[in-house]
Amino acid sequence: AQSVTQLDSHVSVSEGTPVLLRCNYSSSYSPSLFWYVQHPNKGLQLLLKYTSAATLVKGINGFEAEFKKSETSFHLTKPSAHMSDAAEYFCFMDTGRRALTFGSGTRLQVQP
Amino acid sequence: DAGVIQSPRHEVTEMGQEVTLRCKPISGHDYLFWYRQTMMRGLELLIYFNNNVPIDDSGMPEDRFSAKMPNASFSTLKIQPSEPRDSAVYLCASSLSSLAGAETQYFGPGTRLLVL
Repeated sequence: AQSVTQLDSHVSVSEGTPVLLRCNYSSSYSPSLFWYVQHPNKGLQLLLKYTSAATLVKGINGFEAEFKKSETSFHLTKPSAHMSDAAEYFCFMDTGRRALTFGSGTRLQVQP
Repeated sequence: DAGVIQSPRHEVTEMGQEVTLRCKPISGHDYLFWYRQTMMRGLELLIYFNNNVPIDDSGMPEDRFSAKMPNASFSTLKIQPSEPRDSAVYLCASSLSSLAGAETQYFGPGTRLLVL
């Protein structure tokens, strides 16, 4: 069965410290994986995506994610959090033919 | 491009009334998706279309919900009759098909629906 698990529903960091948002997936196929961000009262915006090219993917606003097949993970990281990063983050998986699965979201809080 | 356009942005209605939500995808995109987002249930895919044809509507909660895509530039999601538990943010997204694999979905700002 296809599934995406975001391991933390809430993450709180201090401004200037690293961010780690965890996403694990389960799929019988080679997946494409996406991270989206949703700021309050806004739609979802693509941060980055993995589609079987380089395993380390760089996205917007300094975020990056590494696809690790052996660990079935696609964790999102950023070296230094900014107040504007406070939002909800979603991990999406597409196994082809638009077989879409997504996680339950991780709310990131950034403390001053 | 203006991006995915949804209307209305906010809708307040009374239980039993018909509600129609609208979405205009990005020009040239051939996939369109409707999602529902609530605090309790998170993000749910309701239905998606390819070239105006519904492909998977297994996420549509019940017969009160219906979606149409009469042409490539317009889709509606209708709830009739509406109930308070339908209160949610309804998101529309569009994307291109690709032989290379999954394409990015571009989301609209959503319609915030409140059913009293």
